[in-house]
Amino acid sequence: AQSVTQPDIHITVSEGASLELRCNYSYGATPYLFWYVQSPGQGLQLLLKYFSGDTLVQGIKGFEAEFKRSQSSFNLRKPSVHWSDAAEYFCAVASPNTGNQFYFGTGTSLTVIP
Amino acid sequence: EPEVTQTPSHQVTQMGQEVILRCVPISNHLYFYWYRQILGQKVEFLVSFYNNEISEKSEIFDDQFSVERPDGSNFTLKIRSTKLEDSAMYFCASSERGHGDTQYFGPGTRLTVL
Repeated sequence: AQSVTQPDIHITVSEGASLELRCNYSYGATPYLFWYVQSPGQGLQLLLKYFSGDTLVQGIKGFEAEFKRSQSSFNLRKPSVHWSDAAEYFCAVASPNTGNQFYFGTGTSLTVIP
Repeated sequence: EPEVTQTPSHQVTQMGQEVILRCVPISNHLYFYWYRQILGQKVEFLVSFYNNEISEKSEIFDDQFSVERPDGSNFTLKIRSTKLEDSAMYFCASSERGHGDTQYFGPGTRLTVL
């Protein structure tokens, strides 16, 4: 069965610093991969997605993620964090062949300090 | 940009009562979903719905739950007899296609069962 691991429960970075949030997945083939962001009291907003092709994908708000098949990872990065990036970040996987459900990780809470 | 909307934003109910959570998916989408997020836990899949029937459901989605598309725009989740453990944020989502197509989430309904 598919599963997603986000090893970091909470990360604190300084504004302007770079950011990397980790995501590892378990799946028999190459899944579809997503990153969502959830601001306090808000729903889930799609940041970016990977279906196929170029393994480095660009998203909104200056985020990017890199799919590494050999490591079963899909880490989210941003070169310079803004205070407004403070939120909960969720990695999700889905099967391109069977089923419709998304499998989410437990999330990483990002705090940005001035 | 089209959005998924949900009402109410917050619902408080007594244990044993029935609740109906409402969603308006994006208009040209054909697949609809409900997920829930218990406080501090991961987002969990409940059910997917296509062509006026359930296409997939999780173990959480037992006989207490039902879904319906009563008209051309609304998609509802009914919990017949709420339990304390049903307290959670419930997210509706929709997608154009199934099998891993991007799901767009609503802002959620926070259900509190007393």
